Amino acid sequence: EPEVTQTPSHQVTQMGQEVILRCVPISNHLYFYWYRQILGQKVEFLVSFYNNEISEKSEIFDDQFSVERPDGSNFTLKIRSTKLEDSAMYFCASKRLAGDPSGELFFGEGSRLTVL
Amino acid sequence: AQSVTQLGSHVSVSEGALVLLRCNYSSSVPPYLFWYVQYPNQGLQLLLKYTSAATLVKGINGFEAEFKKSETSFHLTKPSAHMSDAAEYFCAVSGNFGNEKLTFGTGTRLTIIP
Repeated sequence: EPEVTQTPSHQVTQMGQEVILRCVPISNHLYFYWYRQILGQKVEFLVSFYNNEISEKSEIFDDQFSVERPDGSNFTLKIRSTKLEDSAMYFCASKRLAGDPSGELFFGEGSRLTVL
Repeated sequence: AQSVTQLGSHVSVSEGALVLLRCNYSSSVPPYLFWYVQYPNQGLQLLLKYTSAATLVKGINGFEAEFKKSETSFHLTKPSAHMSDAAEYFCAVSGNFGNEKLTFGTGTRLTIIP
């Protein structure tokens, strides 16, 4: 069964360092997302991406964050200069169709980021 | 704007007992509602969804939920809990047009007592 894969599963970094989280969405999906979950808190929307551009972003997704689909298969989230409060589980998700709010999001297993 | 409130961050039920996980929503447009489950060390998996068809929605693993507009609720139930149901459950809402992002609740951790 097709699945969304994420790497790394866990990354520990020093404050101020750049981090890139990688995702391979399901191959025929067109709409991509990043969500995050700070320990003990709710899953929060970060950004959605369609047709090689950001569709929507939350207030969390400031200038320190960027997303890219560099090669047609990978979908990356970059944090330029990590802060302690960026420590969280980051989930990538994809959906087959755009313009389908009822469509199922398929989530990866998450990348746990720990900022020291 | 949409939001969901999940009452009870932790729920414990005995094996074989009824599972009831509560979710209330707020939405300025007709909502689509979802329940996702997260097993340990796994991603979120869709259990079921309401998309304005039948108000009683059946999902995987014997779960179902009923959309009640008058109560702005979408509670998740299962008649008989199984040990394998132990997980974190998230209610989520999206608008039925335009904005497609999901807004999640804070989650309910379900523990099954043998």
